[in-house]
Amino acid sequence: NAGVMQNPRHLVRRRGQEARLRCSPMKGHSHVYWYRQLPEEGLKFMVYLQKENIIDESGMPKERFSAEFPKEGPSILRIQQVVRGDSAAYFCASSPTTGESQPQHFGDGTRLSIL
Amino acid sequence: GEDVEQSLFLSVREGDSSVINCTYTDSSSTYLYWYKQEPGAGLQLLTYIFSNMDMKQDQRLTVLLNKKDKHLSLRIADTQTGDSAIYFCAENSNSGYALNFGKGTSLLVTP
Repeated sequence: NAGVMQNPRHLVRRRGQEARLRCSPMKGHSHVYWYRQLPEEGLKFMVYLQKENIIDESGMPKERFSAEFPKEGPSILRIQQVVRGDSAAYFCASSPTTGESQPQHFGDGTRLSIL
Repeated sequence: GEDVEQSLFLSVREGDSSVINCTYTDSSSTYLYWYKQEPGAGLQLLTYIFSNMDMKQDQRLTVLLNKKDKHLSLRIADTQTGDSAIYFCAENSNSGYALNFGKGTSLLVTP
């Protein structure tokens, strides 16, 4: 998974702080997807972005969560005023285009722990 | 993940074949995927199959698709200890891009 780079790998925050998770897609990929994995669960879709556009954020909580994919730089998933329930692994995936024929390639994830 | 069902655990002996099963509910899914997750790592795409295919083989991996029963299986021949991991089945959602994942099957390979 060297292609999709996520950082940090592990992030510890206290309740009420902000968490920023970064994702650099594979070279040549302009479509980014964020997923959340709760303990012993499968991955749940959160948001789909293209450069400078949020295409679908239907899986993202309405409050405290936001995502961006600027023209330059990585995609950022931002969680404000974190709570214990935000503890999870957050995975980013990318694809060159979208559609069912384009498999998504995943990064190694950011494990977020809330104290 | 509630639309994609997998058994949670499978244990096999080294050298045997492993068969991991998955059922899905979205009949419009045109691609189905198998991902492998090792401890502390991300998801590695193993293989995927187009819905008009019944079978796909790739070295030690064989994917079988029964579209009528919405059943997908992954067979790993000559299973090795390095195959121990969690295997996720996934389908495209109605959106065509968001993946719906099962909860994963934890495969344990014993010597």
